[in-house]
This record gives sequence, C-alpha cells and structure tokens, in this order.
Amino acid sequence: QVQLQESGPGLVKPSQTLSLTCTVSGGSISSSNYYWSWVRQPAGQGLEWIGRIYISGSVNYNPSLESRVTMSLDASKRQFSLRLSSVTDADTAVYYCARDKPSAVSDHWGQGTLVTVSS
Amino acid sequence: DIQLTQSPSFLSASAGDRVTITCRASQDISSNLAWYQQKPGKAPKLLIYTASTLQSGVPSRFSGSGSGTEFTLTISSLQPEDFATYYCQQVKTYPVTFGQGTRLEIK
Repeated sequence: QVQLQESGPGLVKPSQTLSLTCTVSGGSISSSNYYWSWVRQPAGQGLEWIGRIYISGSVNYNPSLESRVTMSLDASKRQFSLRLSSVTDADTAVYYCARDKPSAVSDHWGQGTLVTVSS
Repeated sequence: DIQLTQSPSFLSASAGDRVTITCRASQDISSNLAWYQQKPGKAPKLLIYTASTLQSGVPSRFSGSGSGTEFTLTISSLQPEDFATYYCQQVKTYPVTFGQGTRLEIK
C-alpha cells in the first residue's frame, strides 16, 4: 500500500520561500502510471490544487500560483518537492501531497502538514 | 477556470437516511469528475472517479452519476462514519478545481 509523508518547516516568514518534501513508500515513484501532486487547504476552507509532476519532470501548475511555484522529483530518494516563493499570510494552509492517476484524480494522500506564514 | 458549485453547502441528516449532493460545473466536463470525503484533521479520501466509478474499498452505499455539467453523489443509507465534508473535483482541464464542499452533519 503506497504511503506519502510530507515534511518541511511549519513556520515560514513573509516574503521567504516555503519548501516541502513528500516521501513515497510502498510504491514506485518512477512508475509511468502515476503523477505526483500538491494540494493545499487554508483552515476552515476548501481545497486548492497547486500542481503536479511526472517522473519525466513534466509539470502542470495552477496559473494562480505559477509564477511562484516550482516542483521537482528525485526518484533516487523517492521524493518530490514543492517550493513556493514570496509567501504571504494567504499561503498559510495545510499542504497535502498526493499520488494521481493519469486523469489527475488523487487516489492516495499524505496526512498533510500545516505551514504558517508569520514573522 | 472551471467553477464547480455544490449544493447544498450544509446538510443535516440522520443515520439510515438517503442523501444526495449535487455538483454543477460552469462548462461541460463530460465524465471527468471525482468525489472525495474529508473528515476533520484528515486528508481527503477518494470515493468516486469518472463520475460513477467506485474507488476500490469504498462501500457500495456510495454512488455517483451525471455527465456534462450536472453530477450527483448519493449515499443510500447513512452510516455514522459518513458524517464528513464532501468535495467534487473536475479533472477535465487545468487547473484542476474543487467544489466548495458540502458539510454533512448528524441531525
């Protein structure tokens, strides 16, 4: 059973860069059958899709965040990562990593990690 | 972006009830719709994809239907563990978008 685990700082200062890593276990991150994505959720609010990455390095980002987002994947470490630059209070949220079917439906999720943007 | 509007936003029901949640898309998304269940403090859980395909391990009391712009999630007989928030998601075009959620609470 594939499992995903987010890791990274829980507190980031305004204008700095948020960096998170998702470690995949129980399944191959190199599989051609899946994509790897990030979704976030501010407290008490709905879900926002950030983007996704394929083993080839191909990415798709939400245009609302595209100018600040970078995703990468390191198959040797079974990890994929999210970087979000120039953060503000509005970026405070629980960040989830997930495994996607090719259709972009997320069938396995990490438990989520809270990132707070504050000075 | 494709907008998804769920109704109702809040639903109060009793165990054993049959409930239906609707998701309307701002444009035709064919059958490219999924439903998720989320409990407080937990990650979303995939219930249904391609509008009506039940994800492995999900109880058969959950069902989905629809195509184009109107979709429904039905729970045939509510169980105590079903009280949660439900989200629809469209995967027809980027960016992927979600509905605002329907909170299902115990009456």
